[in-house]
Amino acid sequence: AQKITQTQPGMFVQEKEAVTLDCTYDTSDQSYGLFWYKQPSSGEMIFLIYQGSYDEQNATEGRYSLNFQKARKSANLVISASQLGDSAMYFCAMREGFFGGAQKLVFGQGTRLTINP
Amino acid sequence: DTAVSQTPKYLVTQMGNDKSIKCEQNLGHDTMYWYKQDSKKFLKIMFSYNNKELIINETVPNRFSPKSPDKAHLNLHINSLELGDSAVYFCASSQESGRMETQYFGPGTRLLVL
Repeated sequence: AQKITQTQPGMFVQEKEAVTLDCTYDTSDQSYGLFWYKQPSSGEMIFLIYQGSYDEQNATEGRYSLNFQKARKSANLVISASQLGDSAMYFCAMREGFFGGAQKLVFGQGTRLTINP
Repeated sequence: DTAVSQTPKYLVTQMGNDKSIKCEQNLGHDTMYWYKQDSKKFLKIMFSYNNKELIINETVPNRFSPKSPDKAHLNLHINSLELGDSAVYFCASSQESGRMETQYFGPGTRLLVL
């Protein structure tokens, strides 16, 4: 079963508008973490924001915020005041368990965001 | 002062060859990973090392062998390359302290097998 689902293969948004990228996840663990990464056309993977399953507040990092709805198992990324440089692939990812040692990231399929001038 | 670096950035080779990709991190992290991104942009974990010990070994052909000479380095050796090995390979690192630590990725190595 798909653990991370991103239902929007592509999105087109006007510059300066806010945009929401959807992410739903599936886990039976109580402890897990949700991450968003940005992959511009140059190919690198850039960490944007993290939300822990026990965090009561939604995470925010500058223009990025995470709309975490635990009961719905969704962790949508919100980008405020979009800029041309926000055009990229965006990946939602999940890690399960808080215990030490390596914990793998499971990624969604990605959403290609295009910001129009 | 790159945090996670990989060499080479591009690798074009013939089927059947053996090749290596190197990864180094200067973040002081104790855990390193290899991920593969296929042509459809799907990212999947391959291996992980924690303090030079193999922790995660996903269902990956035996032709792929990771090696971690020390905490700061994780190399990936691929024998008998096949067309299907063409992909982008990302190295990542994190500090596993029992909390949910962020993984930081290298720039990727674009492998093309002809």
